[in-house]
Amino acid sequence: AQKVTQAQTEISVVEKEDVTLDCVYETRDTTYYLFWYKQPPSGELVFLIRRNSFDEQNEISGRYSWNFQKSTSSFNFTITASQVVDSAVYFCALSAASSASKIIFGSGTRLSIRP
Amino acid sequence: DTGVSQDPRHKITKRGQNVTFRCDPISEHNRLYWYRQTLGQGPEFLTYFQNEAQLEKSRLLSDRFSAERPKGSFSTLEIQRTEQGDSAMYLCASSSQGFGETQYFGPGTRLLVL
Repeated sequence: AQKVTQAQTEISVVEKEDVTLDCVYETRDTTYYLFWYKQPPSGELVFLIRRNSFDEQNEISGRYSWNFQKSTSSFNFTITASQVVDSAVYFCALSAASSASKIIFGSGTRLSIRP
Repeated sequence: DTGVSQDPRHKITKRGQNVTFRCDPISEHNRLYWYRQTLGQGPEFLTYFQNEAQLEKSRLLSDRFSAERPKGSFSTLEIQRTEQGDSAMYLCASSSQGFGETQYFGPGTRLLVL
């Protein structure tokens, strides 16, 4: 069975602080994809990144960076110099080869950036 | 390039009524997915189509739920004899064919059953 755990239910930081959102996943598949999505108050899920299980290279995109470590089954997301517009619920998700095309989502982390 | 669209955005209905939601995927995507999201939770998979074929259904999809994609373009999700437990956000997503392809989501339909 596949599972995604986001242990941090809510995080609140002051603007310009760095913040890391944790994600731990479980799967017996060797081939899988990991995703992060952002859900702002408007409700629409916005795709942020996709990573396959064979590519452990970390990625940076502007203020966003992702740390994928297969040894600890983690795919953490860091926002540098946070801004109020980063306030949203962030979901980590997994799609494993044995589960066809469905995505398994974590329960999300609600991030609040205070001005 | 337009994204995934859903209609209606909000629906309030009385228990026992039937409701139907529509999803229009990104035009070049041949896969279409339905998810349900309840308050404080991540989306949960309901079903997906490849073109007009419904390839997988979750156990969450009771016999009161039916989804169609008659011409491989838009899809409808119908809930018959709604119950208060059906209150949720219903999300549609689409993707290209292939394992691990990114799913792009629509704005969702928020259903409230009174």
